[in-house]
Amino acid sequence: NAGVMQNPRHLVRRRGQEARLRCSPMKGHSHVYWYRQLPEEGLKFMVYLQKENIIDESGMPKERFSAEFPKEGPSILRIQQVVRGDSAAYFCASSPRGNSEKLFFGSGTQLSVL
Amino acid sequence: GQNIDQPTEMTATEGAIVQINCTYQTSGFNGLFWYQQHAGEAPTFLSYNVLDGLEEKGRFSSFLSRSKGYSYLLLKELQMKDSASYLCAVRDNTNAGKSTFGDGTTLTVKP
Repeated sequence: NAGVMQNPRHLVRRRGQEARLRCSPMKGHSHVYWYRQLPEEGLKFMVYLQKENIIDESGMPKERFSAEFPKEGPSILRIQQVVRGDSAAYFCASSPRGNSEKLFFGSGTQLSVL
Repeated sequence: GQNIDQPTEMTATEGAIVQINCTYQTSGFNGLFWYQQHAGEAPTFLSYNVLDGLEEKGRFSSFLSRSKGYSYLLLKELQMKDSASYLCAVRDNTNAGKSTFGDGTTLTVKP
């Protein structure tokens, strides 16, 4: 049973470009969470999605950031017109239900904005 | 909202015992988690407490006091591979049930 798969592992973008980060949850998991982590800091919640629904996006910046989890395919975190401050590790986690005893994390995508 | 505090750094000796504390303030509590994260890797689940008391799992134990908003992670018989960041996370009791993480405690185990 494959774990949470994130790709790409590393992503380099120039300022103004778009970044697309993908997350395939564990088999049987329909709940996906996105977190951002800056160096030497903890994980900051961004968004919580179920299939085709955004449940909680209280941690998402109001502009340039969007997320989706379609009926088919992976969850996508999209960052438009990236800026240097977007450089961070972005982790995706999944669970079989909303109040699970634990989250299963992917290996993350390290975004570097030049 | 939620506020989670834990020490930034700790150092301990191989074979020793170390206790990492976590205090939290939350408007709605529905569980506390500890995760381990090695540099450049994904966080991995260590423990989950929702009721007061001690949960023991091998060399690792976690304690919770809901009335005090306090938890600790106890690591026994420290090994060099235990050098990592330890993240305390609190889940809220909304339907979303999202977890809010502290900034982590970086533990360095020395020989």
